[in-house]
Amino acid sequence: GENVEQHPSTLSVQEGDSAVIKCTYSDSASNYFPWYKQELGKRPQLIIDIRSNVGEKKDQRIAVTLNKTAKHFSLHITETQPEDSAVYFCAASKTNYGQNFVFGPGTRLSVLP
Amino acid sequence: GAVVSQHPSRVICKSGTSVKIECRSLDFQATTMFWYRQFPKQSLMLMATSNEGSKATYEQGVEKDKFLINHASLTLSTLTVTSAHPEDSSFYICSARVLREAHSGANVLTFGAGSRLTVL
Repeated sequence: GENVEQHPSTLSVQEGDSAVIKCTYSDSASNYFPWYKQELGKRPQLIIDIRSNVGEKKDQRIAVTLNKTAKHFSLHITETQPEDSAVYFCAASKTNYGQNFVFGPGTRLSVLP
Repeated sequence: GAVVSQHPSRVICKSGTSVKIECRSLDFQATTMFWYRQFPKQSLMLMATSNEGSKATYEQGVEKDKFLINHASLTLSTLTVTSAHPEDSSFYICSARVLREAHSGANVLTFGAGSRLTVL
């Protein structure tokens, strides 16, 4: 089955700096890669996703890159702000309805003022 | 947009009692829902896949008699923790897949707000 690894487990950056979180997956059949943000005690919220037919996607300060050959994908947050502090989870899935998502272990991001 | 409603958000119970957690899809039908357990500072661990009108599919190591799942309608799935013990204390989250054209046209996972269970 699919296995998703995520690094680093914790990340501290100064406000305004960039943050990068990296994930690898094992199943070459996975073709959908979402990123979720979870604030303390709250539900995970989808922030950006990418399908395997593209290599990069950007949404304002957030971008995701995908390398299918190497089976890894990364989340990039630029101009970080204190409200970006949260736990971020990557996931891998096949897009068939009903297929489960396999989540990475998470990265706790702290943006220091 | 599609919303998944989960309650109760918090529940405290005595050891040996059973607790039911409900997960409802609002404004959309969910033939499949997923139940996760999350320990403090850890990732989301899939417990089972809830299928409307049929038996749930449990992940390895999850006791089906301990965690009863019922998906009786297209908008409601329930998780019942039977004969709860302190080690069952955790954060339980449900989710459903929603087709979101705005998100790469994929079936996006939408989560409930979670239920924090404390067993005394």
